[in-house]
Amino acid sequence: DSGVTQTPKHLITATGQRVTLRCSPRSGDLSVYWYQQSLDQGLQFLIQYYNGEERAKGNILERFSAQQFPDLHSELNLSSLELGDSALYFCASSVGPDNSGNTIYFGEGSWLTVV
Amino acid sequence: AQKVTQAQTEISVVEKEDVTLDCVYETRDTTYYLFWYKQPPSGELVFLIRRNSFDEQNEISGRYSWNFQKSTSSFNFTITASQVVDSAVYFCALSEAGLSGGGADGLTFGKGTHLIIQP
Repeated sequence: DSGVTQTPKHLITATGQRVTLRCSPRSGDLSVYWYQQSLDQGLQFLIQYYNGEERAKGNILERFSAQQFPDLHSELNLSSLELGDSALYFCASSVGPDNSGNTIYFGEGSWLTVV
Repeated sequence: AQKVTQAQTEISVVEKEDVTLDCVYETRDTTYYLFWYKQPPSGELVFLIRRNSFDEQNEISGRYSWNFQKSTSSFNFTITASQVVDSAVYFCALSEAGLSGGGADGLTFGKGTHLIIQP
């Protein structure tokens, strides 16, 4: 158990809909990351937050948004869903604010299926 | 831009054999960090090791060992006396410190190597 908690574990929704994925980081970790894993794109970095502020942005679509709340949990919002958004979405956390080599621990992921 | 290549898409060995998973990386940063993660069939990503670019010492943890060679930009992972429970997809990943001005963009993962250990 990495200590990173993600909900829901599985989600099935229709095209055009909007979903919210939730993540609680490990105790003491201030950074939260979101990654998408799909068969064709592999594991891709979406976005990082540190202590409530956006820290780094990767290949995140404009239809997707995220935020980190004062209690440090984070939410990833996916809207106008398309079939191609079906993927495993990971949340990860680490102590530090940047790529200073902190170990990044991943949650168990949220399986999203868009039908 | 940073890049991680895991050329072995799938490896299948018989239990108790030794197996090495290759990882080659590209980066312009002089300070960077390398990681290995394991993804078993259940789907979670399990952290195995982190190594920084200034530490080229090889590491051994039980049946697992890692060989970091900056000269060849490689960070290979060996499992000795493999077991069926080692069956998983293994990912190598790179994180740049962002000191070269390229920015800090999280972990860059390789495509993964699917390791199958047959009983």
